Amino acid sequence: DAKTTQPPSMDCAEGRAANLPCNHSTISGNEYVYWYRQIHSQGPQYIIHGLKNNETNEMASLIITEDRKSSTLILPHATLRDTAVYYCIVRVANAGNMLTFGGGTRLMVKP
Amino acid sequence: GAVVSQHPSWVICKSGTSVKIECRSLDFQATTMFWYRQFPKQSLMLMATSNEGSKATYEQGVEKDKFLINHASLTLSTLTVTSAHPEDSSFYICSARDLRLAQETQYFGPGTRLLVL
Repeated sequence: DAKTTQPPSMDCAEGRAANLPCNHSTISGNEYVYWYRQIHSQGPQYIIHGLKNNETNEMASLIITEDRKSSTLILPHATLRDTAVYYCIVRVANAGNMLTFGGGTRLMVKP
Repeated sequence: GAVVSQHPSWVICKSGTSVKIECRSLDFQATTMFWYRQFPKQSLMLMATSNEGSKATYEQGVEKDKFLINHASLTLSTLTVTSAHPEDSSFYICSARDLRLAQETQYFGPGTRLLVL
């Protein structure tokens, strides 16, 4: 799986959009970008994934650059409950392999 | 999304005893489940891959005789920490593959916090 690079930490004001970047410059054509988050003392929670088109669901939006070398997870209206570590993971879908977690970005949403 | 449960959510045991942790996929069948371990302020580290009806595959450095994995059904995998010691105290998390979506997605349980005294 391709390596990802994320900033170690970010702050965001409550109610504002949180934009979490991820670099994956070595991504290959059949690798998807997955985002998970881990709230303190809980198991990771699936957020969203995509291949090359932008994706949106009830939790977030995923913007993938045209060259696919980077992506941004957008939480449109961050709340205090969105404080968590966010992991960007690149992997081949349907390969049956595990998820490899890097350091992630610790997002702190402040009142 | 799919739901994965773990039981117990936390356990305290004496050194030398064995502890069993259950991981269940509640609304889907999972031929493959994964067991992770997370120490404080660190990221998740894969311990083993559990396949239904076959032996688990362990990551390098994980003792298969100490961490026994059984995946006897499509909805249940168990991890038994045998002869637990204080250094085994950690947060144990399982995940299960949901193949119903066009692109396979893994869902995680809430984790089990183990404290060995």
